[in-house]
Amino acid sequence: DVKVTQSSRYLVKRTGEKVFLECVQDMDHENMFWYRQDPGLGLRLIYFSYDVKMKEKGDIPEGYSVSREKKERFSLILESASTNQTSMYLCASSLSGLRAFFGQGTRLTVV
Amino acid sequence: KQEVTQIPAALSVPEGENLVLNCSFTDSAIYNLQWFRQDPGKGLTSLLLIQSSQREQTSGRLNASLDKSSGRSTLYIAASQPGDSATYLCAASGNTGKLIFGQGTTLQVKP
Repeated sequence: DVKVTQSSRYLVKRTGEKVFLECVQDMDHENMFWYRQDPGLGLRLIYFSYDVKMKEKGDIPEGYSVSREKKERFSLILESASTNQTSMYLCASSLSGLRAFFGQGTRLTVV
Repeated sequence: KQEVTQIPAALSVPEGENLVLNCSFTDSAIYNLQWFRQDPGKGLTSLLLIQSSQREQTSGRLNASLDKSSGRSTLYIAASQPGDSATYLCAASGNTGKLIFGQGTTLQVKP
């Protein structure tokens, strides 16, 4: 079975810190995604990558950047964390046209 | 821009009932439509994927249908059980592989 692993389940960071969220998949999927999930707003796409070093902005990229240097790893970077970035962050991977697989989520709190 | 809507937002049914969850999308040029389940505080689990050329998919007590022309998909759950209680999300995918999610339907099945 496909495994998508996010580096942390829970994180607490201070305002202004640079934060790295890591995601690794073990099935050679070309597509990888970062979403954030907030009550009442559903899942919103932050960034999408369709190949190594290739990325596309989602609906809410402001305040975030991403890195995909290797096919299996997709990192989300909060350049300067703010309290409005407190959220559940979900990573996913897929082969185009096939099922997407999600990690367990990282609940980030920015204080 | 693709928009996905799910109705109702919440649903409570007694155990044993058959039920239908609805998903609508604005752009009929989808590549596929996926249904996911999410338990509280967890990641998403893929339930069913319907390719654009298909009309329905079945897995156990779950049946998902797709009508591209009307921009609708339904998830039918037969003989519901308390263990089916969760949030169900649908997501439409274009040919880039990007997934756009609805806000989900939270289902409670009462014993």
